[in-house]
Amino acid sequence: DAGVTQSPTHLIKTRGQQVTLRCSPISGHKSVSWYQQVLGQGPQFIFQYYEKEERGRGNFPDRFSARQFPNYSSELNVNALLLGDSALYLCASSLPHDEQYFGPGTRLTVT
Amino acid sequence: GESVGLHLPTLSVQEGDNSIINCAYSNSASDYFIWYKQESGKGPQFIIDIRSNMDKRQGQRVTVLLNKTVKHLSLQIAATQPGDSAVYFCAEPAGGTSYGKLTFGQGTILTVHP
Repeated sequence: DAGVTQSPTHLIKTRGQQVTLRCSPISGHKSVSWYQQVLGQGPQFIFQYYEKEERGRGNFPDRFSARQFPNYSSELNVNALLLGDSALYLCASSLPHDEQYFGPGTRLTVT
Repeated sequence: GESVGLHLPTLSVQEGDNSIINCAYSNSASDYFIWYKQESGKGPQFIIDIRSNMDKRQGQRVTVLLNKTVKHLSLQIAATQPGDSAVYFCAEPAGGTSYGKLTFGQGTILTVHP
């Protein structure tokens, strides 16, 4: 069975640029969450979407935005990239009232 | 506010030993905790969970203990194997549901030597 998939695997961007990260949930999962994991730390919650609606937002600036499509896939957008945005971005999907399954993440490097 | 943290950032054991990874939390109202394992290059993987109405829960080679008095939980891994080498996180889901916003601790790096 296919797990959560994320693309791209790695990405290098320059400060000030914009980036879009993509996530495909496990088939049948309608909830998608995004997390940022800085090296040496635990993941930090960014967004949660369920049935295409935002259900939760973490303590991140407005430069971060996301959306969920009718097929339940999701995109995370980050504008005006800063060096501090360099991190592993994780996507997780779940069924209602069930555990979250994480993808392998997208490694973003901002130079 | 909520915070979940770990006592020890690194743990090195020999294959076959038992491992104990600790976690402290600050919110006395917390009622549900999850342990995750994150291997290099992968996302976190669910190991075991425990609710506050339990003191202990056992899985396959893993046991989680919850001490609500001192707001502490631990993950015990029996007969640790090289494949157990990873970073282990305790996490607290918001709203007492496994699919809610997760607040992760810093993590403990477990290294198992053959």
